[in-house]
Amino acid sequence: AQKITQTQPGMFVQEKEAVTLDCTYDTSDQSYGLFWYKQPSSGEMIFLIYQGSYDEQNATEGRYSLNFQKARKSANLVISASQLGDSAMYFCAMREGQGGNFNKFYFGSGTKLNVKP
Amino acid sequence: NAGVTQTPKFQVLKTGQSMTLQCAQDMNHNSMYWYRQDPGMGLRLIYYSASEGTTDKGEVPNGYNVSRLNKREFSLRLESAAPSQTSVYFCASSESRGKGNQPQHFGDGTRLSIL
Repeated sequence: AQKITQTQPGMFVQEKEAVTLDCTYDTSDQSYGLFWYKQPSSGEMIFLIYQGSYDEQNATEGRYSLNFQKARKSANLVISASQLGDSAMYFCAMREGQGGNFNKFYFGSGTKLNVKP
Repeated sequence: NAGVTQTPKFQVLKTGQSMTLQCAQDMNHNSMYWYRQDPGMGLRLIYYSASEGTTDKGEVPNGYNVSRLNKREFSLRLESAAPSQTSVYFCASSESRGKGNQPQHFGDGTRLSIL
C-alpha cells in the first residue's frame, strides 16, 4: 500500500482564491509527522509546514494551513489568497519513527498547482 | 548558511561510466538521504544513513552504492551508469532524534544524464 497518496496530479486556481491540495497517508505508528514541500520550476525543495500526530491544533504558517483529520488519515494543505508565485509542484511527506528515532520519510507523487491571473 | 551542498550540479555520462555524487551538510544532522526524482514524479529514496557509520537501502537501491564518510558527508556512487539512471538526484539531511518534527533539508539537486 502507498504510504502517501496525492490524488490530484494537477490543479488550477484563480489568483487570490483559496485552494486545497489533498493528501492521505497510511501508517500504523502512533507517532509520526506530516510535511508539505513546494518545488518551483527551478527545482529546489522548500519546506512549508509541519503537523505532528499528537498536535491537537491544525498547523498554520502564514498563508499555509494544514487541515489534519487524524481519523481519516488526511493532511490536506490549504493555501489562502493564492499568488502567481504559488505555481509549483507540491509534495506531501510523512516521517515515521519509533523510540525517538525518526529516520523514514515517504513522499507522495505530488500535485502541480497552476495559479491563473 | 550553506545547508546541504551537492556537487556537481550537472553531469553527462556515457553508459558504463562510473561517478560519485557528493553531498555535505553543515547542520550537524544525524540522518542523510539520497533520492532520485524522475520527470513529473515524486521523490524515491535510494539509500539513507540514520547516523554516522550506518547505511540502509531505500526503495530503489539497485545500481547504487553509498558511503557515509563522516557526519557531514554522504556520497552516492554509480558503478556502471545506465540510461535508466538519468534523473535528478537530491541529497537531504535531517535531525532524526527527538519529537520527529524536524523537516528534511534538501540540496539543490544534481541533474544527471546518461547517454
